[in-house]
Amino acid sequence: QKEVEQNSGPLSVPEGAIASLNCTYSDRGSQSFFWYRQYSGKSPELIMFIYSNGDKEDGRFTAQLNKASQYVSLLIRDSQPSDSATYLCAVNPRRNQFYFGTGTSLTVIP
Amino acid sequence: SAVISQKPSRDICQRGTSLTIQCQVDSQVTMMFWYRQQPGQSLTLIATANQGSEATYESGFVIDKFPISRPNLTFSTLTVSNMSPEDSSIYLCSVLGWTSGGTTSYEQYFGPGTRLTVT
Repeated sequence: QKEVEQNSGPLSVPEGAIASLNCTYSDRGSQSFFWYRQYSGKSPELIMFIYSNGDKEDGRFTAQLNKASQYVSLLIRDSQPSDSATYLCAVNPRRNQFYFGTGTSLTVIP
Repeated sequence: SAVISQKPSRDICQRGTSLTIQCQVDSQVTMMFWYRQQPGQSLTLIATANQGSEATYESGFVIDKFPISRPNLTFSTLTVSNMSPEDSSIYLCSVLGWTSGGTTSYEQYFGPGTRLTVT
């Protein structure tokens, strides 16, 4: 079983819709969870992190964490074509360990 | 966030040669990592660069091929040795555990990457 699993997509949504990206993880003791955005040819950019169960909102982005289900998601409201990218989920089960998912490719259609 | 720079940003190298990639951070960091990302693929961790000791390599990567230095808390190098076309990839430095204003952050940030093409 992989440490972090994501649906590779591609996920396509129309402009203005909500994009929902999902991630599951295997280490029940994980405490920190991160979402990165990676444009083609660029390095990953940290866009959200969440440590507590529930929702965390930052602008159009909402991260949702459910530790009981070992599930973390990212919602992008009012999706824009500029949101088209690969989104990587990462989990930090222990201080100096970091596991990345394989990423979900998102395309926002104008 | 920590500011990370990498040199070179890109290079085209001949088979059999070696290239050293530098990673410089503007803050002292606990952990530095080296990743490889081939076109259309996800991140693959090569090794963790430990300050003052040998790097810790992931399965499939060896020190003879990818020697790493970490002389201090803000700098690391990765050398890709005896290159072949299969080494063509983007190499990314990342940092974890950077300290600013007395607080240590455990988010992981990436450098801009080095695009390597081996002919």
